Amino acid sequence: GAVVSQHPSWVICKSGTSVKIECRSLDFQATTMFWYRQFPKQSLMLMATSNEGSKATYEQGVEKDKFLINHASLTLSTLTVTSAHPEDSSFYICSGLGQNTGELFFGEGSRLTVL
Amino acid sequence: AQSVSQHNHHVILSEAASLELGCNYSYGGTVNLFWYVQYPGQHLQLLLKYFSGDPLVKGIKGFEAEFIKSKFSFNLRKPSVQWSDTAEYFCAVNARNSGYALNFGKGTSLLVTP
Repeated sequence: GAVVSQHPSWVICKSGTSVKIECRSLDFQATTMFWYRQFPKQSLMLMATSNEGSKATYEQGVEKDKFLINHASLTLSTLTVTSAHPEDSSFYICSGLGQNTGELFFGEGSRLTVL
Repeated sequence: AQSVSQHNHHVILSEAASLELGCNYSYGGTVNLFWYVQYPGQHLQLLLKYFSGDPLVKGIKGFEAEFIKSKFSFNLRKPSVQWSDTAEYFCAVNARNSGYALNFGKGTSLLVTP
């Protein structure tokens, strides 16, 4: 299947700093990418839907000014956690929508720890 | 509210045992149904999906799932598990014609012992 790569896999940062997570579709073009968040022993929660070249659509309760999403190209979407706090510590997972199959392909996830 | 429930949070089986993982959903309309697997340290992979047609769908690695509309269920089965099936399993649903974003269950952690 198609490959989606996330970077970094692990990141530790100090409270108040910003962290950028990249999500790349390596062998297909993803016009739509989804960002999920997973707390320990919880399900994946959809944070936002991003479409290439347009503003992301955020789910209810997700602060768009805190979680900045950019989808500037068909193969790259980024999630920036601004002014991170310990409660933002989580596992962030992106997925890209395959244009022809309608199937979602997931990245490996990025674990953020805010000290 | 839309929701996906996975009944078993942790399952431990011996090799060659049969597996059934429960998944129920609460949605008002027509749905698409998925099972994903996440092996330790790896990304989510699609095991199988149901969009329409035969309610018994077969996926990769010998897995199958049956959609029972009257029960709002989509249980995952495998007749004989292997040690390599040790992983986290997620059931996911999306409402048809409402985009491709998935609503996930909490997952079931499966441990297969030799």
